[in-house]
Amino acid sequence: GQNIDQPTEMTATEGAIVQINCTYQTSGFNGLFWYQQHAGEAPTFLSYNVLDGLEEKGRFSSFLSRSKGYSYLLLKELQMKDSASYLCAVMDSNYQLIWGAGTKLIIKP
Amino acid sequence: DAMVIQNPRYQVTQFGKPVTLSCSQTLNHNVMYWYQQKSSQAPKLLFHYYDKDFNNEADTPDNFQSRRPNTSFCFLDIRSPGLGDAAMYLCATSQRQGDYNEQFFGPGTRLTVL
Repeated sequence: GQNIDQPTEMTATEGAIVQINCTYQTSGFNGLFWYQQHAGEAPTFLSYNVLDGLEEKGRFSSFLSRSKGYSYLLLKELQMKDSASYLCAVMDSNYQLIWGAGTKLIIKP
Repeated sequence: DAMVIQNPRYQVTQFGKPVTLSCSQTLNHNVMYWYQQKSSQAPKLLFHYYDKDFNNEADTPDNFQSRRPNTSFCFLDIRSPGLGDAAMYLCATSQRQGDYNEQFFGPGTRLTVL
C-alpha cells in the first residue's frame, strides 16, 4: 500500500529553527509537495521537490532524497504565524496526490 | 484575483437530508478535485475531473456524487448524509495532470450533520 509518515505534533520556540520530516512509500514518484494549513482553513502550497537536494524559498526550505523515500521541511526564524499544520504529499505514478495526515506545529513565545 | 470559491463556507444538514456543495474557479484550470478532510487527518480524494472526464476513487461511498456542468463549476452531492460524513470538504483545481501539478484549494465547506 501507499503510505506517508510524518510526526503528529511538534513544538518550537519563536525565532528558532524547526525541521519537519516526511517518509513515504508510494507506487511511483512524480514529486513531493509541502502544504501549510492553518486551523479551519484550506491548505496552501509551500514547495515542490522532484529532484534530490535542497530547495530554498525565503525562510522555508525543502529537501528530498528519492533513494531514501525521505523529505524534510525546514522553517527558520520561526514566527507565531507559522503555527499551523504542515502536510507532506507525494504524487504517485497516476499523478494523484497521496497525503500525509500533517504535522501540527506549535510555536511558543 | 483568480481563485477557487466554495459555497457555503458552513453547511448544517439533518441526518439523511440531501445536501449539495458548490465550487467555482476563475483560474480556467482543466482539473478539479473534491476532497474530504476530517480533523487531524489527511485530505481524502473523493473525485476528480480532467475536463469533463470523471474519475471516481475506488473507495468513495455511493452516497457521494459529483457533477461538473462546465469548466468553471463543480458540485458535490451527498444523497443521504450520515453522522460520519461531517467533515471539511475541500475543492481544488490544477492546470493539468502531470508532474509539477500544484493544486489550488478553495476555503472549504465545513459540513455538520445533526
